[in-house]
Amino acid sequence: AQSVTQLDSQVPVFEEAPVELRCNYSSSVSVYLFWYVQYPNQGLQLLLKYLSGSTLVKGINGFEAEFNKSQTSFHLRKPSVHISDTAEYFCAVRGGATNKLIFGTGTLLAVQP
Amino acid sequence: EPEVTQTPSHQVTQMGQEVILRCVPISNHLYFYWYRQILGQKVEFLVSFYNNEISEKSEIFDDQFSVERPDGSNFTLKIRSTKLEDSAMYFCASSAGAANTGELFFGEGSRLTVL
Repeated sequence: AQSVTQLDSQVPVFEEAPVELRCNYSSSVSVYLFWYVQYPNQGLQLLLKYLSGSTLVKGINGFEAEFNKSQTSFHLRKPSVHISDTAEYFCAVRGGATNKLIFGTGTLLAVQP
Repeated sequence: EPEVTQTPSHQVTQMGQEVILRCVPISNHLYFYWYRQILGQKVEFLVSFYNNEISEKSEIFDDQFSVERPDGSNFTLKIRSTKLEDSAMYFCASSAGAANTGELFFGEGSRLTVL
């Protein structure tokens, strides 16, 4: 079975500062990893995904994430955040024969002016 | 850009009533899912559906829940007799392929409030 841990429930950051949202996973099989964003009162939108290949994955809105197998992590980063990046960010894992996504508890990114 | 659409966006119901949430997945997708998110909590998997049958379901998806693809376009979630704890945002999702092909596309959700 897979699981995902997002240790930070909320990350406050000032506009134009860099940010890292942490995600750790556990799995006994190879995994596929995802970051989704949820803006207020909206659905889930895919930011980026790691399926295979390069461990550094670039996504939309200037976000990127690095898959680290030895540390079982998939942290999300952005070098300079905007007010519009304020949203809930969910890390998710999918692996083995299952086609379901397992989500973390989410991290609220609160960008302040 | 194709998208998953859900109706209603918000439904208020009395405890014990039946509720049907509707979803129109992306037209060429083959796998369909329901997830729910209780307010302030994480997104939880309910059920996946492929080839007109349930392929996987969670412990949450008990006998009170059922899914159906009544025609070529709709995918519905029925809650037979709603409980207070069924209050949540319900997300429908679809994907073109199975485990190895990545992305699930989510709808904007249906908020269910059980009084």
